[in-house]
Amino acid sequence: EAQVTQNPRYLITVTGKKLTVTCSQNMNHEYMSWYRQDPGLGLRQIYYSMNVEVTDKGDVPEGYKVSRKEKRNFPLILESPSPNQTSLYFCASSIRWAGWGNTEAFFGQGTRLTVV
Amino acid sequence: GQQLNQSPQSMFIQEGEDVSMNCTSSSIFNTWLWYKQEPGEGPVLLIALYKAGELTSNGRLTAQFGITRKDSFLNISASIPSDVGIYFCAGQPKGGSEKLVFGKGTKLTVNP
Repeated sequence: EAQVTQNPRYLITVTGKKLTVTCSQNMNHEYMSWYRQDPGLGLRQIYYSMNVEVTDKGDVPEGYKVSRKEKRNFPLILESPSPNQTSLYFCASSIRWAGWGNTEAFFGQGTRLTVV
Repeated sequence: GQQLNQSPQSMFIQEGEDVSMNCTSSSIFNTWLWYKQEPGEGPVLLIALYKAGELTSNGRLTAQFGITRKDSFLNISASIPSDVGIYFCAGQPKGGSEKLVFGKGTKLTVNP
């Protein structure tokens, strides 16, 4: 079954304690991205990756890091989480068509992060 | 940057009614996508549109890619309680970066 898998689904942590949210897709998609979703603000892109070892900042990258060492995996790293990073996070992957860009994004089920 | 204006923000309807929502932009888009998100879940792709004027159906859902390439609408016919959720439009702007731009969503409530 084609899917994007995120782990964990729920996480409560303390300020400053490094954490990683994993994301894996089995569709051989080139393009992967991370979003955060907050009430009234919709989906905002944190980081994206157009291929292995190619990553770039989205709209709200501060406080986050990513890596893309393999095509299927795109972990999100919070080196020193703060309460304002409490949010619902989604990983997504999509096909990237040359000259057209990425198209239909498939989303993971989300990770609800609470930083206290 | 490009923005998508999605309306209405919320809708409260009776089961059996038809629903219409739309997204507009000041920029031209190459692609329009419509997603549904249920509580506690990730957005699920409903319909993808790639050509101006394209009209595509998925069961009771119909979406169109506007002729001007600056808008799209989604219709749901004969709504049922399981249609409840937040519907998002998204698109890839022409000539922009490769990321998708999302609307802020339309929250649909269906009363049985």
